Amino acid sequence: NAGVTQTPKFQVLKTGQSMTLQCAQDMNHEYMSWYRQDPGMGLRLIHYSVGAGITDQGEVPNGYNVSRSTTEDFPLRLLSAAPSQTSVYFCASSSERAELRGANVLTFGAGSRLTVL
Amino acid sequence: QKEVEQDPGPLSVPEGAIVSLNCTYSNSAFQYFMWYRQYSRKGPELLMYTYSSGNKEDGRFTAQVDKSSKYISLFIRDSQPSDSATYLCAMSVPPDTGNQFYFGTGTSLTVIP
Repeated sequence: NAGVTQTPKFQVLKTGQSMTLQCAQDMNHEYMSWYRQDPGMGLRLIHYSVGAGITDQGEVPNGYNVSRSTTEDFPLRLLSAAPSQTSVYFCASSSERAELRGANVLTFGAGSRLTVL
Repeated sequence: QKEVEQDPGPLSVPEGAIVSLNCTYSNSAFQYFMWYRQYSRKGPELLMYTYSSGNKEDGRFTAQVDKSSKYISLFIRDSQPSDSATYLCAMSVPPDTGNQFYFGTGTSLTVIP
C-alpha cells in the first residue's frame, strides 16, 4: 500500500505564478484534507473534503482552491502564489477505525515543500 | 486562545532519560486524543491514541488523558536517540459531530547519546 502520495516534493515559484499540488490515496478513505505547516504555527487546515464532490474551507483557505472529482485524488491549487504561501504542505486522509472506537485517525503524506520568491 | 496549547520546547535530554510531553486544551467536547511523531522532513505519523480519559501504554510510551483538567501527556521511558523528533498532540470531537482535528504546535525533542 502506498498510503498517501504527494507530488511534487519540492517546488520553487515566482510571485504570481500558479501551480497544483497533487495528492492521491489508495486506502479508499472518504475524508481528505490539506494542511500547511509553518514554524511556531503548527498544522493549519486549508481545505477538506468528506467525499467526492464535497469540499469545504478550513482555517486558512484564502489563495487556495480544491476539488474532489474522485475518492482517490484531492489536488490543491495555488491561484497566484505569494511569498506568504512559502510553507510545507501536507495532504492527509482518514476513515473511521473500528478498533479505535470509531475514531477518525489521519494518515499523512510525506509533504511538499513550496518556496515562493 | 488557541484550542490546543503545547510547549514548543526544544527539549534536549540524555539517552535513557524519562521524557514528559504535555498539551492543554479548552474544548470539553474533545473525545479522541492522539500523539503524532514527525521526523525531520517527513510527514507526521500516529504514535499513540487514547479515547476519553485514562492511560494507554505501548512499549516505552504511555499516553495519559485527564479530561477534568483538560490536560494530556506523553511519557517516553528509556529514551533513545531514535526518539529525536517533533511530537504533535492532536484532538478531535466524535465523528458524528464533525470531522475536525486540532493540533498543538509540536514539541521538538532531541535525545543525546
